[in-house]
Amino acid sequence: GAVVSQHPSWVICKSGTSVKIECRSLDFQATTMFWYRQFPKQSLMLMATSNEGSKATYEQGVEKDKFLINHASLTLSTLTVTSAHPEDSSFYICSARPFTDYGYTFGSGTRLTVV
Amino acid sequence: SQQGEEDPQALSIQEGENATMNCSYKTSINNLQWYRQNSGRGLVHLILIRSNEREKHSGRLRVTLDTSKKSSSLLITASRAADTASYFCATDGGLTFGSGTQLTVLP
Repeated sequence: GAVVSQHPSWVICKSGTSVKIECRSLDFQATTMFWYRQFPKQSLMLMATSNEGSKATYEQGVEKDKFLINHASLTLSTLTVTSAHPEDSSFYICSARPFTDYGYTFGSGTRLTVV
Repeated sequence: SQQGEEDPQALSIQEGENATMNCSYKTSINNLQWYRQNSGRGLVHLILIRSNEREKHSGRLRVTLDTSKKSSSLLITASRAADTASYFCATDGGLTFGSGTQLTVLP
């Protein structure tokens, strides 16, 4: 079945540093990937849609310069949280859809803690 | 973007009982999906039902879809403690989720 691998599973970083999260589609090509953020006991909030070979589409209220997305290949999208602050601490999840008219496959998520 | 809204927000049942949760959405769809999320983990795709389908089964899961009411239900039969998780629905725009139903199955 379609698998999306997300790395790292968890990361702790200091305020002001940048953190990169990778999302890979292992057995299918994903021209589009999606990045979500989830706070405890809350739903997933779509942050941006990552498009292979072009700029990402960000949801309203999401800072483009804060959350850099790169989708350089058909199997890899990265989210970089720049100049991280404690309020950026959250659970970040990526997803992709192997086929049209198919469910989305999600990565296992990355728990980011900024100290 | 389209949004699924689940209810109830929380459901607590005994092992062996059935659990039913509902989802409502706002606009026309091609399909609707249900997902499960264990605490601190990614989402797992459970089942997809197309707009021309009214009911679908997968193991202990039964999903219904009523496009006239823009609603869907997920029934988990003979629940197990391992079914404890949050359940979300999403439509084929697929990109926004409701707050989910937190299911707790007590042993």
